[in-house]
Amino acid sequence: AQKITQTQPGMFVQEKEAVTLDCTYDTSDQSYGLFWYKQPSSGEMIFLIYQGSYDEQNATEGRYSLNFQKARKSANLVISASQLGDSAMYFCAMRDLEGGSYIPTFGRGTSLIVHP
Amino acid sequence: DSGVTQTPKHLITATGQRVTLRCSPRSGDLSVYWYQQSLDQGLQFLIQYYNGEERAKGNILERFSAQQFPDLHSELNLSSLELGDSALYFCASSVEGEAEQYFGPGTRLTVT
Repeated sequence: AQKITQTQPGMFVQEKEAVTLDCTYDTSDQSYGLFWYKQPSSGEMIFLIYQGSYDEQNATEGRYSLNFQKARKSANLVISASQLGDSAMYFCAMRDLEGGSYIPTFGRGTSLIVHP
Repeated sequence: DSGVTQTPKHLITATGQRVTLRCSPRSGDLSVYWYQQSLDQGLQFLIQYYNGEERAKGNILERFSAQQFPDLHSELNLSSLELGDSALYFCASSVEGEAEQYFGPGTRLTVT
């Protein structure tokens, strides 16, 4: 069974600083996808970034990058130059790409607060 | 805006009642997923439909059911509601084989 662990229930960062949100996963599958979602206080879930297990380079999307370390089974999200609007819950998730149904498993989330 | 729509945005109902939540996926997406998000359980996958057929089932109670119609919109039916069913219910859609799911804004259900 797949498992996603986000060990940081809450994180604080100063505006314009970089922050790393941790995510570790556990799977016996060889082919899987990892991704991050942002959930602001308004409630919607916003897709941020995706990394496939066979991708050799770390994924980047603007200020977001995914630090993928396959041997350690970690997929940390790095947000550079934090902005006040980055304050939100962040969820790490993993999808099994071998079964065909692509059902993701989500972590419990990390609350990020950006201070001015 | 993800392109996924959900109605209603808020729903308040009493225990024992039945409600229907509606979801319209993004244009072109054949897969629809339903999730329940509560404080104690986190984000839980309920059920997936692909092009009208049930594809996968997660932690969905027997009191809950869903379907996807020929126009690809989906409905989640919750019956014999209990206080513990109060949660945020999300619908998400994706193109089959694509990595990301796009979430709707959610329906906040409050059972009193």
